[in-house]
Amino acid sequence: GAGVSQTPSNKVTEKGKYVELRCDPISGHTALYWYRQSLGQGPEFLIYFQGTGAADDSGLPNDRFFAVRPEGSVSTLKIQRTERGDSAVYLCASSAGTSRRNNEQFFGPGTRLTVL
Amino acid sequence: GQNIDQPTEMTATEGAIVQINCTYQTSGFNGLFWYQQHAGEAPTFLSYNVLDGLEEKGRFSSFLSRSKGYSYLLLKELQMKDSASYLCAVRDYSGGYQKVTFGTGTKLQVIP
Repeated sequence: GAGVSQTPSNKVTEKGKYVELRCDPISGHTALYWYRQSLGQGPEFLIYFQGTGAADDSGLPNDRFFAVRPEGSVSTLKIQRTERGDSAVYLCASSAGTSRRNNEQFFGPGTRLTVL
Repeated sequence: GQNIDQPTEMTATEGAIVQINCTYQTSGFNGLFWYQQHAGEAPTFLSYNVLDGLEEKGRFSSFLSRSKGYSYLLLKELQMKDSASYLCAVRDYSGGYQKVTFGTGTKLQVIP
């Protein structure tokens, strides 16, 4: 596809359940970011991948959150034992690289997660 | 870590010029981004500054002063469609990591 895609667009789940959120970056983009955004706030950094490896996972709030990118393309954000406070829009972004010329991040439409 | 400050809300008149300021504190500055976000949509890239000075791109310009930890986004010839949130984001490089931290955004309302 031409842009970053995320599925599902909306996810409603019950407290305590497990969810997976998927991100398809722009083809060829080596850098991939996950953020979450609450209403009226800026995106909050979660994790950054360079290729297959997590170059910075310092934004993951706790060990219930985990993300993978096994082949350096599609990434999955996994949340275990969801809590109501996890409700937010989860945004994925990709960039061609991280140098000055190619670090523009292209965002996907987001997945709105609601934990009841 | 980073501390990014920008005004919460601003109002400006169609056709006018508006300047949105952003101040930051970071230990390993490696660039500053401005993004535009319309309500209910994902952020879209506007500009990136890593060196001091002004970068101009059409109606939008972005300025950076690294010594002052300060940036601004300048929007000229405002249009109604410019009503959106404008997010300042700082890339920080420390300990081998590169993290991008966003401010809370400035909600700009353009009025006729």
